[in-house]
Amino acid sequence: QSVLTQPPSASETPGQRVTISCSGSSSNIGGNYVYWYQQLPGTAPKLLIYRNNQRPSGVPDRFSGSKSGTSASLAISGLRSEDEADYYCAAWDDSLSGVVFGGGTKLTVL
Amino acid sequence: QVQLVQSGAEVKKPGASVKVSCKASGYTFTSYDINWVRQATGQGLEWMGWMNPNSGNTGYAQKFQGRVTMTTNTSISTAYMELSSLRSEDTAVYYCAKIGLITKSDDDYWGQGTLVTVSS
Repeated sequence: QSVLTQPPSASETPGQRVTISCSGSSSNIGGNYVYWYQQLPGTAPKLLIYRNNQRPSGVPDRFSGSKSGTSASLAISGLRSEDEADYYCAAWDDSLSGVVFGGGTKLTVL
Repeated sequence: QVQLVQSGAEVKKPGASVKVSCKASGYTFTSYDINWVRQATGQGLEWMGWMNPNSGNTGYAQKFQGRVTMTTNTSISTAYMELSSLRSEDTAVYYCAKIGLITKSDDDYWGQGTLVTVSS
């Protein structure tokens, strides 16, 4: 059971927009930055969003992040087949004194 | 450029220990914590802990305390994660990582992963 809660799956057709949610508590999302990772099959996670809504260099602006209270969201617009991957949210947890991850959301581009 | 290169796959018997290495390059090794994250097949990411190569300080997830030991050899810019009393549930890919959220930055790099299989 992950500390951060994500839907296990999401799907949408190419060109459309999809949103993935991440729910936590005051000890993690509520008081710290949320990070989002994309993981393609057989590869290490890749940073997609940092500090709630910032994109690292090289990440397309089709990817955006937001946070409100103890929840966060990742939005992907203009969906492409190569966006099919697992997506994870992460945050520091002050109570656990460690990094916590969501259980991951498998995105299918129909 | 920053690179984290891990040791190869391991097969261990239940009750044994495994030690995975992670060689860093492209940055000052002693300036940043090294984290370890594992992922069982078909499962999510699980943070195991961190180590500061400069101070030697460590922080382990409660689940692994007593079974995990993280060390570094600063002379060769290499971090190690040793997990003892292995059981089948420890079968997973183990990653070393320079995780951005620790420094609240986008300075985020991961090793290629090391598959550890625990089987009798």
